[in-house]
Amino acid sequence: DARVTQTPRDKVTEMGQEVTMRCQPILGHNTVFWYRQTMMQGLELLAYFRNRAPLDDSGMPKDRFSAEMPDATLATLKIQPSEPRDSAVYFCASGFDSLRCTFGSGTRLTVV
Amino acid sequence: DAKTTQPTSMDCAEGRAANLPCNHSTISGNEYVYWYRQIHSQGPQYIIHGLKNNETNEMASLIITEDRKSSTLILPHATLRDTAVYYCIVRLIQGAQKLVFGQGTRLTINP
Repeated sequence: DARVTQTPRDKVTEMGQEVTMRCQPILGHNTVFWYRQTMMQGLELLAYFRNRAPLDDSGMPKDRFSAEMPDATLATLKIQPSEPRDSAVYFCASGFDSLRCTFGSGTRLTVV
Repeated sequence: DAKTTQPTSMDCAEGRAANLPCNHSTISGNEYVYWYRQIHSQGPQYIIHGLKNNETNEMASLIITEDRKSSTLILPHATLRDTAVYYCIVRLIQGAQKLVFGQGTRLTINP
């Protein structure tokens, strides 16, 4: 089965450092989603793209988070500077328009 | 998108059918019902979706009431591996729509 690949799997960083998470969507999928999951907030939609264009990033803290798709095979989520409250699991998902989405295994981020 | 209401948690015995309800009384005519699940420490997994007819695939069956205001996901022979949080989502299918998760139902399959 085709997979969404996320790297790194785990990341521990110090407060104030820049963090970049990467996602390789499934070939042929035109929609990419970024989510953050914590015990307290559940699965939060941060941003999503269609055909590499951002459609909605209203769920993302604008001052420190940024999401991009440099090309169709790569989506990135960057946090600069990172803070302890950013500690969470970050998921990427891809799909074709609004059909079923496939999720990656996530990046577990710990900011100390 | 229409909101959904699900029970916070449910239990089911292994080998029995697990029936997970979802209320979506404000669903509009062109919104589909989707189900995803999330097994501990994994990313969510698509299960099934439907508009108004009952649907079945290798994972589950989806029963949607005639007025479309509620639905039930059925896992016919639940196994321990079906223990997960199950999310019912109502979503337009045209174009590229947000996929927003609520709190879901935590289903525990007991031996």
